[in-house]
Amino acid sequence: EAGVVQSPRYKIIEKKQPVAFWCNPISGHNTLYWYRQNLGQGPELLIRYENEEAVDDSQLPKDRFSAERLKGVDSTLKIQPAELGDSAVYLCASSLDQGSYTFGSGTRLTVV
Amino acid sequence: AQSVTQPDIHITVSEGASLELRCNYSYGATPYLFWYVQSPGQGLQLLLKYFSGDTLVQGIKGFEAEFKRSQSSFNLRKPSVHWSDAAEYFCAVATGASGTYKYIFGTGTRLKVLA
Repeated sequence: EAGVVQSPRYKIIEKKQPVAFWCNPISGHNTLYWYRQNLGQGPELLIRYENEEAVDDSQLPKDRFSAERLKGVDSTLKIQPAELGDSAVYLCASSLDQGSYTFGSGTRLTVV
Repeated sequence: AQSVTQPDIHITVSEGASLELRCNYSYGATPYLFWYVQSPGQGLQLLLKYFSGDTLVQGIKGFEAEFKRSQSSFNLRKPSVHWSDAAEYFCAVATGASGTYKYIFGTGTRLKVLA
């Protein structure tokens, strides 16, 4: 079984540019999460989806961040425009019963 | 507010030595507790989890953890560490009612293993 697939693995962009991350969760997992992990910190939840509905986006900086999960499968997280402080690893995870997650390998974003 | 504390930022042990990583949580109700491991450049892998029942939980790679309600702790242990265990370890608590779980992670403990 394929795990949670994220792309790209690495991304370097200049500040004020847009960037997008893609996540393909494990087949059949209805719940999808986007986390941000700053250097030396634990992951922090940005948004949680149940199928195609964003049920918790309270920590998503909505002025520049957006996410979508069309058809309740793949998801895209976008930042526009990116700021220096957005440099982090962006992790996607999925779960079947919310009991435990399966994480992807993450996208390491560097904003210069 | 709910929180997870991992008081040790770095721990160094010799290969073959025993290991204990500390985790304390703050949560009013019975928590769901997890330990994850993250190797460099990788995502997080679940080591073990506690939902209810036996307070001593066995996980993968020879790890175990003990839930102690009186101490609000969920410490991770391994009797004999291998060089491949060098990684960062995260404790997490799932809070909220069924269907609305939110995971809160600690800041992590980086484990170094000496040959």
